Amino acid sequence: NAGVTQTPKFQVLKTGQSMTLQCAQDMNHEYMSWYRQDPGMGLRLIHYSVGAGITDQGEVPNGYNVSRSTTEDFPLRLLSAAPSQTSVYFCASSFVSTGKGEQFFGPGTRLTVL
Amino acid sequence: GESVGLHLPTLSVQEGDNSIINCAYSNSASDYFIWYKQESGKGPQFIIDIRSNMDKRQGQRVTVLLNKTVKHLSLQIAATQPGDSAVYFCALFGGGSYIPTFGRGTSLIVHP
Repeated sequence: NAGVTQTPKFQVLKTGQSMTLQCAQDMNHEYMSWYRQDPGMGLRLIHYSVGAGITDQGEVPNGYNVSRSTTEDFPLRLLSAAPSQTSVYFCASSFVSTGKGEQFFGPGTRLTVL
Repeated sequence: GESVGLHLPTLSVQEGDNSIINCAYSNSASDYFIWYKQESGKGPQFIIDIRSNMDKRQGQRVTVLLNKTVKHLSLQIAATQPGDSAVYFCALFGGGSYIPTFGRGTSLIVHP
């Protein structure tokens, strides 16, 4: 199993540009989530999904969209990038549908918005 | 609101020592707690978890202790090894919430 994969590993955007961060898992997990990690702060949940076709907002959802058309994929879209979205983004999945279980994290995407 | 704190931002130990990393929380309704390890440039890695109906849970070389009275969580690593050097952080879920709160992390440095 590849586990949780994320692409790209690094990305530089200009303010106002849009992009999609890709996340995929091959463990047949129902629960998937997106976090951002900023220096000096703990991980913060952006959006999560408890199954295909179901998504919900986390702690910091503004400026981000998600969709879950398949169990395997959970892309994160930035519609109009802002410097405040400069961060490291992690995707995670869990076999526990509520997320209250072991979460498997991807390697992260380091995003810089100029 | 929820707050999760750590007592020490950096912990330096000698190889072979036992390490203890602490985490305080404020929400008494928290019902699920996790410890993660994060090595530089990598994603967090699950270490061990504990539910609020337990006080102690042991894994391989790790023990998590939960004191609900004082709202305190600790991770004990036995016989710490250089490979244990990483940032460790706690996370918790409030009762009924799907949104976890993460601590900022403690950097563990193990000297050979």
